[in-house]
This record gives sequence, C-alpha cells and structure tokens, in this order.
Amino acid sequence: KAGVTQTPRYLIKTRGQQVTLSCSPISGHRSVSWYQQTPGQGLQFLFEYFSETQRNKGNFPGRFSGRQFSNSRSEMNVSTLELGDSALYLCASRRTVTGANVLTFGAGSRLTVL
Amino acid sequence: DQQVKQNSPSLSVQEGRISILNCDYTNSMFDYFLWYKKYPAEGPTFLISISSIKDKNEDGRFTVFLNKSAKHLSLHIVPSQPGDSAVYFCAASPFGNEKLTFGTGTRLTIIP
Repeated sequence: KAGVTQTPRYLIKTRGQQVTLSCSPISGHRSVSWYQQTPGQGLQFLFEYFSETQRNKGNFPGRFSGRQFSNSRSEMNVSTLELGDSALYLCASRRTVTGANVLTFGAGSRLTVL
Repeated sequence: DQQVKQNSPSLSVQEGRISILNCDYTNSMFDYFLWYKKYPAEGPTFLISISSIKDKNEDGRFTVFLNKSAKHLSLHIVPSQPGDSAVYFCAASPFGNEKLTFGTGTRLTIIP
C-alpha cells in the first residue's frame, strides 16, 4: 500500500511569507503527526491530529498551525516565516504495535527561508 | 530541555563488527522506547521498540537493551553492514500518549 505522501518536497520562501504543507497518510490511518527536524535539534513534535481534531500540540508559537480533513489528509501552515523556520518538516501516520506508537514517516518537505 | 539525549553525534564501525548506539532519557514517565533509522532524503523508518516492562528486545541483527534504573537504552547491531550507515534516532513516549520525544540522532558510518 502507498506510504505517507508529502508535498511539496522542496520549497523556498522569504521572510514574512506564509507556507502550507500537505500530507496524505497511509490509507486507513486516521492519526497524522507533524515534526520539525533541524540540525542539532533532532525531531521536534509540532502537533497531532486524529479524526479532524488536534489531540496534542508541541511547544511552537501560534504561527504554526494545522488541520485535518475528513479524508485524514492534513495540512500545516506557517505564517510570517522567520529564518529559523528553515527545516525539514516531517509528517507521520500512526499504527500501533505491541502498545508502542509506531510512526510511519513521509519523506518530508524541506523548507528554506531566505 | 532535552528529555531524550544521544550524546554521540557520530560513530564509525568496521563492517562485521558490533555497533552500539546509546540513548539517555530524563523523564520517568516514558514507558515506550523506539529506534528509527534515517537515510538522506527519506523519512525516518521504524527499527525496533521496547516497553518498560522488558529489558531486552531482539529483531534479527538488532537488539535494544533498556536499563530503567539508569534511564538508559542502547541499540546493538550485529554484524554491522554497509547498508546500516544512516542516522539513528532514539524516541520515547509515555503510555497512552501519541507524542514521541526524539533524541538528536547519531550518524553511524560502517567502514567496509
């Protein structure tokens, strides 16, 4: 079955602009999480959606927002972009294995802010 | 506040030998621990997990050890193969919580 699909894969924006990233989870997966990966910081949790409801939110400013649609596809939006927002944004959908929450990640959207 | 720490940014190991990647955590609420592997231009892929009721879990060449009293876990890869060269992330979550807390990763290089 198809994996997690993220679009676009690469994009360049300038400071002050806004960006929308899209994620299609694995068919049948209803939970979508977003993570930001930057050098030296690892993966940092942004938020998680399940059945169109945000269930968890990380410690990011309000400029970072997301939503989930009825078909489980999710979008995240970053407004008023700053240079420090340059990162790889990873989306993951969830299945559960032996009680552990195993995430299946997409390839990511690499955002560069100039 | 880094609750999951991978203190070695990089590690080089000869092909065929054992690779040992380490991870420390500070949050005693963590109940599940996972290792992910990441190649360039790809998303992380799940490798192996362990729950806090166990101290060891094996899957083929990969074994994860958990020492709860020391709040330490390690991933052993035996024997190491060139295809194992990647960045390895340790992650943890409390029971019933979907949020994973990741470490900063260790870049493993297997030398042929």
